[in-house]
Amino acid sequence: DTEVTQTPKHLVMGMTNKKSLKCEQHMGHRAMYWYKQKAKKPPELMFVYSYEKLSINESVPSRFSPECPNSSLLNLHLHALQPEDSALYLCASSPLFSNQPQHFGDGTRLSIL
Amino acid sequence: AQRVTQPEKLLSVFKGAPVELKCNYSYSGSPELFWYVQYSRQRLQLLLRHISRESIKGFTADLNKGETSFHLKKPFAQEEDSAMYYCALSGRGKLIFGQGTTLQVKP
Repeated sequence: DTEVTQTPKHLVMGMTNKKSLKCEQHMGHRAMYWYKQKAKKPPELMFVYSYEKLSINESVPSRFSPECPNSSLLNLHLHALQPEDSALYLCASSPLFSNQPQHFGDGTRLSIL
Repeated sequence: AQRVTQPEKLLSVFKGAPVELKCNYSYSGSPELFWYVQYSRQRLQLLLRHISRESIKGFTADLNKGETSFHLKKPFAQEEDSAMYYCALSGRGKLIFGQGTTLQVKP
């Protein structure tokens, strides 16, 4: 299995809802990433997990809460989001947190009402 | 400061014409450079990395440390090459993307 799988593909939520995005990989990669991508813009790094520990938080608002339950799974918990948080959220993984290529999932398209 | 610059937002060529997508970078150290491609309604995927020095789908890219450039080239563009192309720099594990260039290959 050489893919990064993200669920759900689409999510619409209100500003008071709580939801979670999920990401899974079975390539044995030990680094996993969350990115936010606005239309026609490059991905922006949000979080990096290395060996299931949070290594980087790019000053992301606390309404986004990442979690890495094990080496194959990465979650992004969402609470009290704002309309400007509507975007494509991408998960990626790489063998290690180093200068190796990252493998991206299809993303979750999030809309905040 | 780490930075990747792709000066063209849109590059439009006819099928069979040569293509060059420009990428310049700034990084104090030895970066790893990549080209990623995003076809319409598909995931972002790795096209090339500079250390492998291989040709994928007819594309090549050479790292020029003197000019701090990593331009992507293809001698004869095909319609299926139409996509968004991102140049990216990896420094200490973090991927830094350029703004992207949309390549449009007209029939």
